[in-house]
Amino acid sequence: SQQGEEDPQALSIQEGENATMNCSYKTSINNLQWYRQNSGRGLVHLILIRSNEREKHSGRLRVTLDTSKKSSSLLITASRAADTASYFCATSNSGGSNYKLTFGKGTLLTVNP
Amino acid sequence: DAGVTQSPTHLIKTRGQHVTLRCSPISGHKSVSWYQQVLGQGPQFIFQYYEKEERGRGNFPDRFSARQFPNYSSELNVNALLLGDSALYLCASSFQPLTGIYGYTFGSGTRLTVV
Repeated sequence: SQQGEEDPQALSIQEGENATMNCSYKTSINNLQWYRQNSGRGLVHLILIRSNEREKHSGRLRVTLDTSKKSSSLLITASRAADTASYFCATSNSGGSNYKLTFGKGTLLTVNP
Repeated sequence: DAGVTQSPTHLIKTRGQHVTLRCSPISGHKSVSWYQQVLGQGPQFIFQYYEKEERGRGNFPDRFSARQFPNYSSELNVNALLLGDSALYLCASSFQPLTGIYGYTFGSGTRLTVV
């Protein structure tokens, strides 16, 4: 079953604009991760934020985590056409099943040149 | 340094047949996980192996099985294929079995089509 739900399902922006994607989840987590997938191929790990962290940056990426609301957001600044991809949030749940990731359905981001 | 390699990249099988998918993890990684991604959905966890032992299993029927070899490579086997098994099968490797600090490194996947 899906744990996370990304919002929006699809997002279309112009090059240079910022893109914000949101993720909500249901259970307590150890960490939350964001992945990118180009054209239905392999997933690329972007960033991991632990349950005791509130914000993390990596290059043009900014991730926030609000465990009280069970939600996270991914901000991509100054987007480029090459950022066009599907973006998934994935949670590692606390407790005995922390060996697996539970993914949402993803947000399809289109960056128009 | 090679990433996670999966073979084959594409596969077409007939209902009822058996399929074997292969994965070689990054050198030094001892954990391999398998995920199934149906079109339009996020990946779903199937198995995790660490040090050649099964560490976790997702909600998949017994037609799905896997194993890990002494060199840490892995095979995913699916028996009695159904049309609904058509999906992208992804392999992920990591140094340790827990999702920990670094996340997983995924391969490019095997696209299985069952006709």
